[in-house]
Amino acid sequence: GAGVSQSPSNKVTEKGKDVELRCDPISGHTALYWYRQSLGQGLEFLIYFQGNSAPDKSGLPSDRFSAERTGGSVSTLTIQRTQQEDSAVYLCASSLALGGIKNIQYFGAGTRLSVL
Amino acid sequence: KQEVTQIPAALSVPEGENLVLNCSFTDSAIYNLQWFRQDPGKGLTSLLLIQSSQREQTSGRLNASLDKSSGRSTLYIAASQPGDSATYLCAVSRGTALIFGKGTTLSVSS
Repeated sequence: GAGVSQSPSNKVTEKGKDVELRCDPISGHTALYWYRQSLGQGLEFLIYFQGNSAPDKSGLPSDRFSAERTGGSVSTLTIQRTQQEDSAVYLCASSLALGGIKNIQYFGAGTRLSVL
Repeated sequence: KQEVTQIPAALSVPEGENLVLNCSFTDSAIYNLQWFRQDPGKGLTSLLLIQSSQREQTSGRLNASLDKSSGRSTLYIAASQPGDSATYLCAVSRGTALIFGKGTTLSVSS
């Protein structure tokens, strides 16, 4: 596609349920990133993929959070047993590669998650 | 731990004014610095990327500077327009993750 696509755009769930958020990066981009934007916290890094592997997952806040990427393309962020503090906008970004101008990250519009 | 601070948090100016947004970071060991724009309910749009070896980048009415030794960057917007109203975010790269400031929300009135 022309840009980074995320789905759903909005998700409302009940506390304790599991949710899956999807990211479809720009075609040909080998690097993929997940961030979380919550009120008062700003934008926080969650995890980085190079191809299908995740060499940097230092930002995942707890073991309830996991992510995978398949075929070097689509990525899914899964949050298990959601809590109210998980409510935020989850943003996905992709870049052509690491290093230099290829490191410019292009962002999707995000998924707004509300945990009731 | 890298921390990024943006001042001011909000700014209101009349159309046509030139303005400067400020960004500071605590660790000068960065790979690059990016400025983004975020419109309400939308994702981020990359405006400018400055490599660690560069001093500035320009795109149209935008000019961004980088002084690694002092841990500062500025985004200069010339001849501001109402369409420039948005939140501007500064982010530094440690190679993979971007570390973001909390942004400056700009309002340009006509």
